[in-house]
Parts: sequence; C-alpha cells; structure tokens
Amino acid sequence: GENVEQHPSTLSVQEGDSAVIKCTYSDSASNYFPWYKQELGKGPQLIIDIRSNVGEKKDQRIAVTLNKTAKHFSLHITETQPEDSAVYFCAASLYNFNKFYFGSGTKLNVKP
Amino acid sequence: DTAVSQTPKYLVTQMGNDKSIKCEQNLGHDTMYWYKQDSKKFLKIMFSYNNKELIINETVPNRFSPKSPDKAHLNLHINSLELGDSAVYFCASSQEGGPRVLHFGNGTRLTVT
Repeated sequence: GENVEQHPSTLSVQEGDSAVIKCTYSDSASNYFPWYKQELGKGPQLIIDIRSNVGEKKDQRIAVTLNKTAKHFSLHITETQPEDSAVYFCAASLYNFNKFYFGSGTKLNVKP
Repeated sequence: DTAVSQTPKYLVTQMGNDKSIKCEQNLGHDTMYWYKQDSKKFLKIMFSYNNKELIINETVPNRFSPKSPDKAHLNLHINSLELGDSAVYFCASSQEGGPRVLHFGNGTRLTVT
C-alpha cells in the first residue's frame, strides 16, 4: 500500500518568513495530493490540492509543487502570519477514490 | 450551520464499557468516514460508507462497529473499551465524483481510564 512521509514534524518561523513542508509518497499510481490544515480543537480542513498532471498550483500565499519522478510534493507558505499556526497534513490518493493516506503532520508555529 | 457535526465532543469512560459516537452531515454528501487520530496526531482511516454501504473497512478490531442508518448519518459503536482506544475520532464526509474533498467534524476526544 501507499506510504506517505512528511517532514519536518515541527517548524517554527518568524512572522513574514516563508515555510516549506515536504512529503514523499511510495505508490506511483497515486495521482491526487491534498493538503489539510488542522487548527487546535478542530478537524482538518482542505487548503490546497494538486493532481499529478500539474507541477505547481498557487492560491494567494500558499503553493504546492509536485515532482512525480521523485515522488515528492511540498507546501510553500509565504509571508507567514500568526493565524497560519496549525498542524498541516499532506495526503496521497487516487483521484476519484475514497481512500487517503496521510502524512504524520507538521506543527507550524509562526512567532509574531 | 455546522456541516459535519459529531457528538459528544468529549467522552471519558472506564475500560470495559461500551460507548457510541454519533455523526451527521448536512452537505448532501454520499460518502462518510471515521478517522482515528492518535496522540502523535497521526490520522488513519477506519471505515467509509457510501450511501449506507460499507466500502472501506481497515484493520480495526471488531469491537468497533459502524452503522449508517441513512446517508446523512454514520455512528460508531465501541464495545469493551480498552486504554489503547483513547484518541480523537473524526467523522468526515465527501461527495462522489471528482476529487474527494474531505469535510471533517471537530472530533470526539475519547479517554479510556
């Protein structure tokens, strides 16, 4: 089955700096890669996703890049703000399929 | 209006007891899930139902039994609770067709003493 590894487990940045979280996956058949943000006491919420036919996707301050050959994808957050502090999860699955494999999570702390 | 709501939010119980967690979604989605998040924040799928039919059943002890009375509800019943069952349980839903965007509830923190 699929195995998703996520690094780092914790990340502390100064407000305004950029943050990068990296994930690798093992199953080359995976073709859909969402990122979820989990705030304290809440369930995870989708913030951005990418399909394997695209190398990069941006949405305001967040972007995701995908390298299919190397089987890794990354989340980039620019101009970080204190409200970006949360746990971020990457995931891999087959598009149009119900089973997701989640990474172990990255706790991002943005210091004001 | 809460899209995916689960009750209770907190559940503290003793080993050996039986407990249930309820989940309801008002998004009109066809598929519902139960995920378990352990103390290290690792998220793992337990079950998934599509239109009341079980479609994903991971390696979960048979003390855990999901029930979907209709496509808007998915409950989780746990028999003979053990210390290792302590975790946060998340209900989620998604719509068929296209990428499966998971909509999570806010979780039920189960503590077994």
